[in-house]
Amino acid sequence: ETGVTQTPRHLVMGMTNKKSLKCEQHLGHNAMYWYKQSAKKPLELMFVYNFKEQTENNSVPSRFSPECPNSSHLFLHLHTLQPEDSALYLCASSQARRGNQPQHFGDGTRLSIL
Amino acid sequence: SQKIEQNSEALNIQEGKTATLTCNYTNYSPAYLQWYRQDPGRGPVFLLLIRENEKEKRKERLKVTFDTTLKQSLFHITASQPADSATYLCALDDRGSTLGRLYFGRGTQLTVWP
Repeated sequence: ETGVTQTPRHLVMGMTNKKSLKCEQHLGHNAMYWYKQSAKKPLELMFVYNFKEQTENNSVPSRFSPECPNSSHLFLHLHTLQPEDSALYLCASSQARRGNQPQHFGDGTRLSIL
Repeated sequence: SQKIEQNSEALNIQEGKTATLTCNYTNYSPAYLQWYRQDPGRGPVFLLLIRENEKEKRKERLKVTFDTTLKQSLFHITASQPADSATYLCALDDRGSTLGRLYFGRGTQLTVWP
């Protein structure tokens, strides 16, 4: 039990579909993050939310749309994705302070675009 | 440009030996450096954090050093076991960046054989 739960664990979708990824944390953290992990590449930060406010968008294409309704929940809405978007999408949470706080990760959603 | 380099993609060692993993960074000014473990199909799990003014940190069989002059961290696993086989990621913060944001290396895949 990591404290950060992501659903679904696996998702296969066509390029014209719309789907959403969900992340939930019960650790009392005030910051949440979306990362993309592709083979042989470092974790790529996509979005950062602090106290439900988006504080960073790392030049992510608009086909990815985040939503943070409260400090415990984070969504990533997907629309008209491309094959190169196939990857592991990880959610994390932490206390939003200078980097002396560890990030707690979920086990990710493995996304495959047909 | 900014870079975080972890010594090699893969490291293979015999059980009982000490594994040493390297993390070098360029054009970052971190106050903290963290190490994570990632198993296949799972999210990264936090292991250790070291501050810029700390030379060394230990936790059971794990030891981390941080040299801000060399811009390098070393991660040691002593008396290694097959169960230590995983990918190890280093991560650091950067002064002036978004609160709580971490920058990750690509990771080193460690295999400990009996």
